[in-house]
Amino acid sequence: AQSVTQLDSQVPVFEEAPVELRCNYSSSVSVYLFWYVQYPNQGLQLLLKYLSGSTLVKGINGFEAEFNKSQTSFHLRKPSVHISDTAEYFCAVRGANNLFFGTGTRLTVIP
Amino acid sequence: GAGVSQSPSNKVTEKGKDVELRCDPISGHTALYWYRQSLGQGLEFLIYFQGNSAPDKSGLPSDRFSAERTGGSVSTLTIQRTQQEDSAVYLCASSSQVFQNTEAFFGQGTRLTVV
Repeated sequence: AQSVTQLDSQVPVFEEAPVELRCNYSSSVSVYLFWYVQYPNQGLQLLLKYLSGSTLVKGINGFEAEFNKSQTSFHLRKPSVHISDTAEYFCAVRGANNLFFGTGTRLTVIP
Repeated sequence: GAGVSQSPSNKVTEKGKDVELRCDPISGHTALYWYRQSLGQGLEFLIYFQGNSAPDKSGLPSDRFSAERTGGSVSTLTIQRTQQEDSAVYLCASSSQVFQNTEAFFGQGTRLTVV
């Protein structure tokens, strides 16, 4: 079975500062990993994904994430955040079939 | 269709009534998921359909909840005898089994309010 843990429920950060949103997963099989973003009053959209290959994946809006198998982590990072990055971020893991999400991290960018 | 379509977008129902929520997945997607999103609770997995395989119903919170997927396409989530704690946004997603396109695409959700 797979599961996902997002350790931080809320992350406030000043505009133009770097940010890291943490995600740890557990799985007994090979996994695919995803980050989704949900802007206020909108649906979920894919930010980036790791399927195989390079452990550093780049997504939309300047975000990137690094897959670390030994630490079972897939942390999301951005070197400089904008006001428009204020949203809820969800990490997800897909194993053989099902797709499980973490509880989400609310990123608030402070002007 | 171009994306995952859910209907209705909003539903207000009285406690004790039954409701049906509909999901039209992206054409050709064999996997379909239902999730529930409550305020501050993240995405709670409900049920997963994959092709003709038996669905994974392990996330359904009670026997008042059921779902079906007809012809491998449209899915309906039914909640019987609704309770106030059922109030939430119900999200549907679909995905392809093609490796490079395995991410899930989400609909806009149905906001259910039980009064």
